[in-house]
Amino acid sequence: GAVVSQHPSRVICKSGTSVKIECRSLDFQATTMFWYRQFPKQSLMLMATSNEGSKATYEQGVEKDKFLINHASLTLSTLTVTSAHPEDSSFYICSAQTSGGASEQFFGPGTRLTVL
Amino acid sequence: GESVGLHLPTLSVQEGDNSIINCAYSNSASDYFIWYKQESGKGPQFIIDIRSNMDKRQGQRVTVLLNKTVKHLSLQIAATQPGDSAVYFCAETPYSSASKIIFGSGTRLSIRP
Repeated sequence: GAVVSQHPSRVICKSGTSVKIECRSLDFQATTMFWYRQFPKQSLMLMATSNEGSKATYEQGVEKDKFLINHASLTLSTLTVTSAHPEDSSFYICSAQTSGGASEQFFGPGTRLTVL
Repeated sequence: GESVGLHLPTLSVQEGDNSIINCAYSNSASDYFIWYKQESGKGPQFIIDIRSNMDKRQGQRVTVLLNKTVKHLSLQIAATQPGDSAVYFCAETPYSSASKIIFGSGTRLSIRP
């Protein structure tokens, strides 16, 4: 149980295009989903927190107009990187949480984004 | 501010020996601590957790120790195996935000045969 999937696992795009990444909780309903970014040899940095049916809360320094988050259902959240640039190349990881709090937060396998 | 840091970025251990990975945290109000293992190209995998009202917790081959006095957390892995090679992150949940997980900088554990 408690499986979180991400799609795609890898994506390569041209500079200036937009890329959508999906995060799904496969066997549970997630009241909250989180998006992290991880640059090579660095830690995971929280980008935003999203609750189903409401606007996402972004961490300081994360541009909400560039990283669009939609949490349309209790099992799906999407992150769209708009007008992607090479500096947006990173490993994007989502996590999904039940109402149990951080002890019930499960991570996806990550999406490797490469912007050419 | 909120931050969780690690003492060493890399650790090399002989196969079969015990590994100890250390972590310092700065937020004395943190209520919950977690250790994650991340293999290359994968998401973090939960290893073990501990709440602030405990000082030790054991799992299968792993033990987490929490010293709130000096704000120090450690992960002990018994009889380290090649499959333990990964980056290990400590993480904390600040009391002010029960859901938000703040990750430390990570320690890469490598196993010598």
